[in-house]
Amino acid sequence: SQQGEEDPQALSIQEGENATMNCSYKTSINNLQWYRQNSGRGLVHLILIRSNEREKHSGRLRVTLDTSKKSSSLLITASRAADTASYFCATVAGGFKTIFGAGTRLFVKA
Amino acid sequence: DVKVTQSSRYLVKRTGEKVFLECVQDMDHENMFWYRQDPGLGLRLIYFSYDVKMKEKGDIPEGYSVSREKKERFSLILESASTNQTSMYLCASSFQGSGANVLTFGAGSRLTVL
Repeated sequence: SQQGEEDPQALSIQEGENATMNCSYKTSINNLQWYRQNSGRGLVHLILIRSNEREKHSGRLRVTLDTSKKSSSLLITASRAADTASYFCATVAGGFKTIFGAGTRLFVKA
Repeated sequence: DVKVTQSSRYLVKRTGEKVFLECVQDMDHENMFWYRQDPGLGLRLIYFSYDVKMKEKGDIPEGYSVSREKKERFSLILESASTNQTSMYLCASSFQGSGANVLTFGAGSRLTVL
């Protein structure tokens, strides 16, 4: 079962622009995480936000969480060509089970 | 640098063959996971293990089994491979102590079943 649904499915922007990806989920969560996947490779953890947090920053990444709407957004500021990848939100509701959405494919044009 | 290592990057097998996918982590993580990734479907959890010899079914365990005889190693077994098991398989591990379940992934194993 997919918990997270990302929006948009694909996004194409120019280098230097900001990229925003959204994620909606269905059940209560302990935390929400964002991962990045370069083409054909494994996923890399980017950032985690706990259910009692509303916003988190890490470098050029900003994540928000609205538990009342069961949604999150990932903002990448001043995008670079190297940010081209797929981005996944993942939720942890309890225990050790992490559920992923289908991902957003980001393409940053140089 | 900490690692999750998957034994094969690419495999091609025939229908009906038994397939072993091996995963080893060097971080002393208690939890290990197997996901499969298909276009448009994201990652779906097949099985996970929170301790040696312990296993739990994920969302799509049918057609798969797992083995965890040692803490660092988690194997995924396809007893009789079928074409609908053609996919990218991703192994991951996590540390129990933090409670956050942040996953460290391997590079993936792309399996083609003919």
